[in-house]
Amino acid sequence: QQPVQSPQAVILREGEDAVINCSSSKALYSVHWYRQKHGEAPVFLMILLKGGEQKGHEKISASFNEKKQQSSLYLTASQLSYSGTYFCGTDYTSGTYKYIFGTGTRLKVLA
Amino acid sequence: SAVISQKPSRDICQRGTSLTIQCQVDSQVTMMFWYRQQPGQSLTLIATANQGSEATYESGFVIDKFPISRPNLTFSTLTVSNMSPEDSSIYLCSVRTGVNTIYFGEGSWLTVV
Repeated sequence: QQPVQSPQAVILREGEDAVINCSSSKALYSVHWYRQKHGEAPVFLMILLKGGEQKGHEKISASFNEKKQQSSLYLTASQLSYSGTYFCGTDYTSGTYKYIFGTGTRLKVLA
Repeated sequence: SAVISQKPSRDICQRGTSLTIQCQVDSQVTMMFWYRQQPGQSLTLIATANQGSEATYESGFVIDKFPISRPNLTFSTLTVSNMSPEDSSIYLCSVRTGVNTIYFGEGSWLTVV
């Protein structure tokens, strides 16, 4: 089953914050976050492996709650370069290495 | 790390024809995957390309339509057979070198007319 992301789309002004959620009906082993710009392949942002773990990448951070089977991506003080489609991805079971992507969230940052 | 080269990067094909996409990795990898991304959609796993054996296909994808070869640990091909406009998509090769690391090729943008 594919993880479900919310919201499906969001429009921000530069400097505003956003949160993107990724929810699964199955237990998650790990969560990866990617950003894809139009006409390009997805670019890896970060991975979260443990429940409750948080990570940061510049002004982008994420959390992973194993018990709730969800992860959230936090974009702080958004920049124009943050525009794109964000995907969460997971392999549900350690060792399968079969990677499933979430439904995606389109984010547009306006000047 | 792994650097992945995909060819072709873009192509426009006639319906009913077939196209083979190549994926070359600069190092030996065990796990290699093929994804499809239809316009405006997420990435969908087509199959796992297994070295020396048949690929493992996901639900909704069959070998007759998407034959895959994996002759060695650095190379794989995906063929899209008997193409129709619904096959217009981005096809992405991906490798996984460990628990934490996954890499994508730049994708093959396919338009079927």
